[in-house]
Amino acid sequence: QLQLQESGPGLLRPSESLSLTCTVSGGSISGDHWTWIRQPPGEGLEWIGYVYYSGTTNYNPSLRSRVTISVDMSKNQVSLILSSVTAADTAVYYCARYQEWLHWFDPWGQGILVTVSS
Amino acid sequence: QTVVTQEPSFSVSPGGTVTVTCGLSSGSVSTGYYPSWYQQSPGQAPRTLIYSTNTRSSGVPDRFSGSILGSKAALTITGAQADDESDYYCLLYMGSGVWMFGGGTKLTVL
Repeated sequence: QLQLQESGPGLLRPSESLSLTCTVSGGSISGDHWTWIRQPPGEGLEWIGYVYYSGTTNYNPSLRSRVTISVDMSKNQVSLILSSVTAADTAVYYCARYQEWLHWFDPWGQGILVTVSS
Repeated sequence: QTVVTQEPSFSVSPGGTVTVTCGLSSGSVSTGYYPSWYQQSPGQAPRTLIYSTNTRSSGVPDRFSGSILGSKAALTITGAQADDESDYYCLLYMGSGVWMFGGGTKLTVL
């Protein structure tokens, strides 16, 4: 059974870069797309972007200038970097598999809370 | 910029039927938007209910169904149960590799 686990720092200062890793177990990242989604406390879900295992990416236009998503095939991991964070980037960050042929995000990781505060 | 719209909240009686919709601030939702629906309980990650408009994810009870109703995607719960009380989000493909979530609908079963 495919499982995803997010990891990374839980507290950042404004202007720092957020760096998260999604470790995939129970299957290979090869052949699929992988996506990041975030949810500010008490708010709705926001799609951040996705990466294909080959490295091709696509991002939310509102975040494109600050986001980089990449894959590490050797570690079976997907990474998210968000630069120049502010308090507005405080959220639970989820990774999920995006199967383009089914047009769905599934499964999801459990999420990781990242707080931006001075 | 086009926004994906959902009812902020809905209430349904146990055993009742409720339809949550997913629309666009400009235009109509069709199957080409590949609507999917996700259920989220407090403190939990979202769970996939429906994808590609009307296909139920494995293990999802058949009281959940998806469709296109008029100009919107719809999630219908027939015979609502207490543990259906959750937040529900739709997700649409906006084209050019871009996806967008609706604002979510908080469903109360009482």
